[in-house]
This record gives sequence, C-alpha cells and structure tokens, in this order.
Amino acid sequence: DVKVTQSSRYLVKRTGEKVFLECVQDMDHENMFWYRQDPGLGLRLIYFSYDVKMKEKGDIPEGYSVSREKKERFSLILESASTNQTSMYLCASSLLWDMWVYGYTFGSGTRLTVV
Amino acid sequence: DQQVKQNSPSLSVQEGRISILNCDYTNSMFDYFLWYKKYPAEGPTFLISISSIKDKNEDGRFTVFLNKSAKHLSLHIVPSQPGDSAVYFCAASAKPGSSNTGKLIFGQGTTLQVKP
Repeated sequence: DVKVTQSSRYLVKRTGEKVFLECVQDMDHENMFWYRQDPGLGLRLIYFSYDVKMKEKGDIPEGYSVSREKKERFSLILESASTNQTSMYLCASSLLWDMWVYGYTFGSGTRLTVV
Repeated sequence: DQQVKQNSPSLSVQEGRISILNCDYTNSMFDYFLWYKKYPAEGPTFLISISSIKDKNEDGRFTVFLNKSAKHLSLHIVPSQPGDSAVYFCAASAKPGSSNTGKLIFGQGTTLQVKP
C-alpha cells in the first residue's frame, strides 16, 4: 500500500513563526498536494506539484509556499504563521494518470494551532 | 465559488437502513467523480469513483449514481452500519487537457451518523 507520512500529528506555533510541514510518500507518485480542512469549508487546495521542482498554486495559496526538491517529499511552508492558519493540513499523492480511478492517497493530517 | 457542493452538513440513519449522500457540481468540464470517507484524526480514504460515461458504479454496499444533466451525484450505502459513521466528501476532476486536470475539487463534506 502507498504510504503518505506527515511528520507531525499536532503542532502549536506562535504568530509570526515560520512553520514547516513535511510530507513523504513511498510509492514514486508524480503528483503531490497540500490541502487544508476547515469545518463547513471542506478540503481546499493550497498548492500542488506534478514533478520535482514544479509547483502550482491551488485555490488558497496566500501566506503559503512549497518546496519539492525530491520526488518523494513535498513541504508546505507558512512564511509567517497567523491565527487564521489554524487548521488541519492534509498532504496527498497520486499517480498522474490513475488518479481518476483510484483517487489520492492522503496522510493522516497535521493539526496546526497558531497562538 | 464553490464548484462542488454538499448541501447537507449532516445525516442520521438507523443501522440497516439506506444512507443517501448527495453532491451537486457546477462545472460541466468535470469528468470524474470520487467519494472519500474520513474518520476523526485520520486522512480521507478513497471509497468509490465514477466517470461521466457511466451513470452508476457499484462496490459492495456502496453505489454511486451520476446524473449529468442535473449535475448531481449521490452515494448510497446499503445496509448502513455503525462503522460507516464518518464524514463523506465528494470530489470532482476534469479530463486531461482542461484547466482542472490533475486536481480534485472537494465538497464541504457530510457527517453521517449511523445509529445502532
């Protein structure tokens, strides 16, 4: 089974801190994604990447950046954390051409609280 | 602009009965539709998918129906079990070559509670 591992389950950070959320997948998937989940808003796409060093903005990229230096690793960076970035962050990966049949594989999520 | 909408935030069903979760979409370029299930403190897990060339796809107790003219899909769970209690998300993606290719657009989610 594909495994998507997010480095932290829970994080508490202070306003203004630079925050790194790490995600690693072990099945050579081309695509990787970062979503955030908020009550009543569902899952919203922050950034995604089709290949190493490639990145594209999703629907809510403001205040975030990403890095993909290796195929298996996709990092989400909060440049200066704010309280409105308190959320559940979900990383996902997929094959390029199978995703419509099999969907994404998600990690377990990181619950980030910014105080 | 919410392209995928789940208008019912919650649904409560008795064990053994049918659960019907609904989803509407607005983008006519969407070609693939998926359902995910999410338990608290876990990531969503893929449940079932359907492409726009079909109107029904079945996998065990789960059936997804697609009505393209109404831009509506539904997930039927029969019979419902207490372990089905979770948040269900529908998602949509467009065929290769369109602007939404390769990324899933999710609805807001519906929390299903199956009572024993």
